[in-house]
Amino acid sequence: QMHLVESGGGVVQPGTSLRLSCAASGFTFDNYGMHWVRQAPGKGLEWVAVIWHDGSNKYYADSVKGRFTTSRDNSKKILFLQLNSLRAEDTAVYYCARDPGEGIWNGFSHWGQGTLVTVSS
Amino acid sequence: QSALTQPPSASGSPGQSVTISCTGTSDDVGSFNYVSWYQQIPGTAPKLMIYEVTKRPSGVPDRFSGSKSGNTASLTVSGLQAEDEADYYCNSYAGRNNLVFGGGTKLTVL
Repeated sequence: QMHLVESGGGVVQPGTSLRLSCAASGFTFDNYGMHWVRQAPGKGLEWVAVIWHDGSNKYYADSVKGRFTTSRDNSKKILFLQLNSLRAEDTAVYYCARDPGEGIWNGFSHWGQGTLVTVSS
Repeated sequence: QSALTQPPSASGSPGQSVTISCTGTSDDVGSFNYVSWYQQIPGTAPKLMIYEVTKRPSGVPDRFSGSKSGNTASLTVSGLQAEDEADYYCNSYAGRNNLVFGGGTKLTVL
């Protein structure tokens, strides 16, 4: 059974940093690209970032470029998202999601349960 | 990158068919077959229903189907059931290493 479990969310002040983790199990982690997707309270989904299966390429949405960094540890099957210079508009549930194995841009086949990040003074 | 355009709401009676549209541009939906659809029940994570425009993952009922014409993709739910009531989101590759979502459609089963 495939599982993705996010952690690391919390309440932080504007301008501070946070690191999210996504622990993977039940599949060969280093065979798949991984994405981060967020959802502000009561709002729609927003793609945040992607990392290639081997970590060789990483791309970001314009809204987070230069502030967020994704990385992965394939030996431990963990995906990370480093959030720096946080703003109120970054408040959201952050999901990690796996690509379907038929192209990294071909959607998100499996999702974690999400972790809530609240940026507030 | 602008979001894809979806109607905010759609509805149908049990047994009927409903189609939800997702309109993009020639830079995203119109140029790539990387269109996917997600079902989200409030308070839970999204679930992949359709990918690559028309493909259905294992376990998704064949009542769900996808299509695309020009810059508009569509999700059709046939034989509506009460359990289909949820929010639905489309997503497309938009070129230049970027993905874009639609604003979401709330499907109500009357």
